[in-house]
Amino acid sequence: AQSVTQPDIHITVSEGASLELRCNYSYGATPYLFWYVQSPGQGLQLLLKYFSGDTLVQGIKGFEAEFKRSQSSFNLRKPSVHWSDAAEYFCAVGAGNTDKLIFGTGTRLQVFP
Amino acid sequence: EPEVTQTPSHQVTQMGQEVILRCVPISNHLYFYWYRQILGQKVEFLVSFYNNEISEKSEIFDDQFSVERPDGSNFTLKIRSTKLEDSAMYFCASSANSLIEAFFGQGTRLTVV
Repeated sequence: AQSVTQPDIHITVSEGASLELRCNYSYGATPYLFWYVQSPGQGLQLLLKYFSGDTLVQGIKGFEAEFKRSQSSFNLRKPSVHWSDAAEYFCAVGAGNTDKLIFGTGTRLQVFP
Repeated sequence: EPEVTQTPSHQVTQMGQEVILRCVPISNHLYFYWYRQILGQKVEFLVSFYNNEISEKSEIFDDQFSVERPDGSNFTLKIRSTKLEDSAMYFCASSANSLIEAFFGQGTRLTVV
């Protein structure tokens, strides 16, 4: 069965610092991988996705993620965090034979000025 | 930019009452989904809907739940007899082509008292 682990429940960074949010997945074949962001009072917004090809994917708002099959990871990165990036971030995995997404528990990002 | 719209944003209902959560998916989308997030827990898949029928549902989606696309634009989730444990944020999503890119609404917070 597919599963997603986000080991960090809460991360605090200073504005301008770099960011890496961890995501590990469990799935037998190559998964579809997603990162979503949820700002307070907002819905889930897709940041980026990986289906195949180049393992480094670029997303919106300056985010990128790298798929590492050997580590079953899909970590989200940003070189310089802005205060507006404070939100909850969800990693999700999907499979080709199903429509559903399996979400991780989320990582809450707090940004200090 | 097209978006998925959910109404109401917050609903309070008494245990045992029926509730209908409403969603207006993006107009040219063909795949529709409901997810829920109990406070402090992960986002969980409930059901997917395509071509006017349920294509997949989770164990959570029991006989108390139903979905409908009554008029070609709305997509509703009905809970027949609400329980306290149904209290959660319910997200509607739609996509043009299955998992390629699902767009989520802002959610309806359901509180059962």
